[in-house]
Amino acid sequence: AQKVTQAQTEISVVEKEDVTLDCVYETRDTTYYLFWYKQPPSGELVFLIRRNSFDEQNEISGRYSWNFQKSTSSFNFTITASQVVDSAVYFCARRGNMLTFGGGTRLMVKP
Amino acid sequence: EAQVTQNPRYLITVTGKKLTVTCSQNMNHEYMSWYRQDPGLGLRQIYYSMNVEVTDKGDVPEGYKVSRKEKRNFPLILESPSPNQTSLYFCASTGGELYNEQFFGPGTRLTVL
Repeated sequence: AQKVTQAQTEISVVEKEDVTLDCVYETRDTTYYLFWYKQPPSGELVFLIRRNSFDEQNEISGRYSWNFQKSTSSFNFTITASQVVDSAVYFCARRGNMLTFGGGTRLMVKP
Repeated sequence: EAQVTQNPRYLITVTGKKLTVTCSQNMNHEYMSWYRQDPGLGLRQIYYSMNVEVTDKGDVPEGYKVSRKEKRNFPLILESPSPNQTSLYFCASTGGELYNEQFFGPGTRLTVL
């Protein structure tokens, strides 16, 4: 199986710190999509971003930014100036034929 | 509004009592799937369906059945639930030009005693 690995199971930061969530994926597909989802304590999955394998341009959306490095098969997610409301579990996922999720990283932002 | 609905949202049941979790989407998507979420394991795919009457196993299909008699509905059936099926279940509907739009239902938290 082509895995998605989120090595950090839990991260704790203090509000206003920057934090980076790592994601490394395996793929044999030439075309694939990468996703990040946020799962707040309420349990629903909130879509954050989708990138396709042909577009390695990094993306910034407010305090969120994503660094896609095809050479290292990584798609890392950085939150700048973290806030308590960022506390959640974050999932990275890759879609080739199937959507495969990483194990998730629990982020705790303390006031 | 694009939506995936699941029912029930919460269910506590006992071992062996058959149950069905419904999933419905209003986007006319062909591809639907079921996932279970367990701590440290992320979301794992149980079954998926490419279209009406076309279903296939995902990574963890044991103990589950699905059906796809119509495009909008994709129920998940547990014929004889066991405690190891206690989990959080998500239905997903996938569409878009290159199947890159994923919509998830709100989740069903199932406890099997």
